[in-house]
Amino acid sequence: AQSVTQPDIHITVSEGASLELRCNYSYGATPYLFWYVQSPGQGLQLLLKYFSGDTLVQGIKGFEAEFKRSQSSFNLRKPSVHWSDAAEYFCAGGGATNKLIFGTGTLLAVQP
Amino acid sequence: DTEVTQTPKHLVMGMTNKKSLKCEQHMGHRAMYWYKQKAKKPPELMFVYSYEKLSINESVPSRFSPECPNSSLLNLHLHALQPEDSALYLCASSQDWPGANTGELFFGEGSRLTVL
Repeated sequence: AQSVTQPDIHITVSEGASLELRCNYSYGATPYLFWYVQSPGQGLQLLLKYFSGDTLVQGIKGFEAEFKRSQSSFNLRKPSVHWSDAAEYFCAGGGATNKLIFGTGTLLAVQP
Repeated sequence: DTEVTQTPKHLVMGMTNKKSLKCEQHMGHRAMYWYKQKAKKPPELMFVYSYEKLSINESVPSRFSPECPNSSLLNLHLHALQPEDSALYLCASSQDWPGANTGELFFGEGSRLTVL
C-alpha cells in the first residue's frame, strides 16, 4: 500500500542551528512529493514539491528537500532555523490514486 | 488573488443544530476539497469536487453534506453532528483534478468546529 512516513513526531532545535526533517515513502512508482507547513490554528502552506528532474528542490522560506530514490526518502532541510519556523510539518505524496497521502507530521520547536 | 477563504473561523453548535461552513476561491481552480483535521493529526480527505461535480466521497457520514454551487464556492452543511466531529475543517483548491499529483493544493485557514 502507498504510504508516507515521518519517523519523528517532535523535534527541538536551537535557533540558528540546521534542521533536517525526515520523510520516507512507499510507492510502486516515483510519487509526486510535497512538504507542507502548518502554523497553529492555520491552514497548510506548500513549502516545496518534487515531480521529476533535479533531485534537490528549493522551496520558500529557505527550505530545500532532496529526493533519494535509493533510500525512498524526501528529507526537508534548512541551514539555519528561525524562531518563526516553529510549526507542524507534513510530508505528502501523490500517486496513481490521485489522492494526496499525508504523513503523520513532525512538530518543530525552536529554542532561543 | 491566491487565497482560499473559509467562514466562519470558529463555530460552536449543538447536536441538533444545522449549520454550514463556507469556502471561496477566486483563482479559477476547478477542483475543491474538504478535509477534516483532528488535533495533532494529518488532514483526512472527506470530499473532492471537480468541475462542480462530486468526484470523491471518502465514506463520510451523511450528517455532512457537501455542496458546490459554482466553481468558486464550496459549502459543507452540518446536521445532527456528534461531539467526536469536533475538528478543524479545511477547504482546499487546485488547478484541476486529478490535482494532487501534479499540482499544488491551496488551503484555507480552516473552520474550527466544536460540537457540544
